[in-house]
Amino acid sequence: EVQLVESGGGLVQPGGSLRLSCAASGFTFNRNAMTWVRQAPGKGLEWVSTISGSSTYNAASVKGRFTISRDNSKNTVYLQMNSLRADDTAVYYCVKERAIRGVIDFFDYWGQGTLVIVSS
Amino acid sequence: DIQMTQSPSSLSASVGDRVTITCRASQSVSSYLNWYQQKPGKAPKLLIYATSTLQSGVPSRFSGSGSGTDFTLTISSLLPEDFATYYCQQSYSPLYTFGQGTKVEIK
Repeated sequence: EVQLVESGGGLVQPGGSLRLSCAASGFTFNRNAMTWVRQAPGKGLEWVSTISGSSTYNAASVKGRFTISRDNSKNTVYLQMNSLRADDTAVYYCVKERAIRGVIDFFDYWGQGTLVIVSS
Repeated sequence: DIQMTQSPSSLSASVGDRVTITCRASQSVSSYLNWYQQKPGKAPKLLIYATSTLQSGVPSRFSGSGSGTDFTLTISSLLPEDFATYYCQQSYSPLYTFGQGTKVEIK
């Protein structure tokens, strides 16, 4: 059974930093791209960052502030968030990607989410 | 970035109704279009990938169609458990983007 368990959320002041972790199990971790998606309170889904092999991709809204990384020996993906702003307040979901024939990508498993609140 | 626009933003429907949600991309995404369902307080769930392929376990009353820039999600006969918010998402570009969501409410 695939499990994605996020941790590290909490209350942080504007300008502060936080590191989210996502522990994965139930699949061959190093064969799958991993993604973070966030959802501000009462709002829609926003893609944040993806790590695929050694390549990383970031939304414009977080570029230069957030860094996604992974430790395949620990089956864990991270999101380092710096220079946090009020509009980063959201539930952050860790998401497993599945790729078919290397081109068809979609998010087949989601964690339960961890809440990040940026406020003074 | 590729912008995804869903319509309508919300709709009211009755159990048994046929419901269609539209998703339009700002440029062609070929067939790399996925649909998710989200219920309040829960993580999203994959319904359809690559425009029309049902994820394992998803009921056949859900279907998807389209190509290029215009896509639809159809629920053939709405059940009580289908009242939720639905999102489209393109995976043509590695800078993924979601539509703003369509909330399906009970009439």
